Amino acid sequence: EAEVAQSPRYKITEKSQAVAFWCDPISGHATLYWYRQILGQGPELLVQFQDESVVDDSQLPKDRFSAERLKGVDSTLKIQPAELGDSAMYLCASSLTKNSPLHFGNGTRLTVT
Amino acid sequence: SQQGEEDPQALSIQEGENATMNCSYKTSINNLQWYRQNSGRGLVHLILIRSNEREKHSGRLRVTLDTSKKSSSLLITASRAADTASYFCATDRGMDMRFGAGTRLTVKP
Repeated sequence: EAEVAQSPRYKITEKSQAVAFWCDPISGHATLYWYRQILGQGPELLVQFQDESVVDDSQLPKDRFSAERLKGVDSTLKIQPAELGDSAMYLCASSLTKNSPLHFGNGTRLTVT
Repeated sequence: SQQGEEDPQALSIQEGENATMNCSYKTSINNLQWYRQNSGRGLVHLILIRSNEREKHSGRLRVTLDTSKKSSSLLITASRAADTASYFCATDRGMDMRFGAGTRLTVKP
């Protein structure tokens, strides 16, 4: 079964540094999501793409976070500068359409020191 | 912000027992979905129930939806140790998918 690929699996960075995460969704999935999950909590939506367009980034801290999906396929989420409070699991998910079940990658565990 | 709230936050049962988790939400939805997450992994979709459905089954899973009370429940029958995980409800409002805080289920062998 096709999977959503994410890299890196783990990332440790110092505060004020830049960090980037990559996601390759399941082929043909038009909708792509980035979620942040703090330990013990549910995933919080950061940004949602429909093809290459952002359809919801209302919860994305735009002063330090950016996301792109240039060709409507893979996506990159960037944080610059990282802060201690950014330590969390960053999950990417894709779906065939915006009303379809989500398929998640295994996430990137970020630790900011 | 999160849309759903699961109850209880944590549940511990013996293998073979049934587990029931509840989810309440705030706004109208198109559908409600349940996901499972093993520790340190991504979420896995379990079942989807549409707003015009009241009950749905999939294997040992039974989901109910009461749109008048804005609530849903997930029942896992004859639980196994391998069912130990966190379970999340997610509400599809048509423009995005929002998750609750989850129920941590522990099934003791």
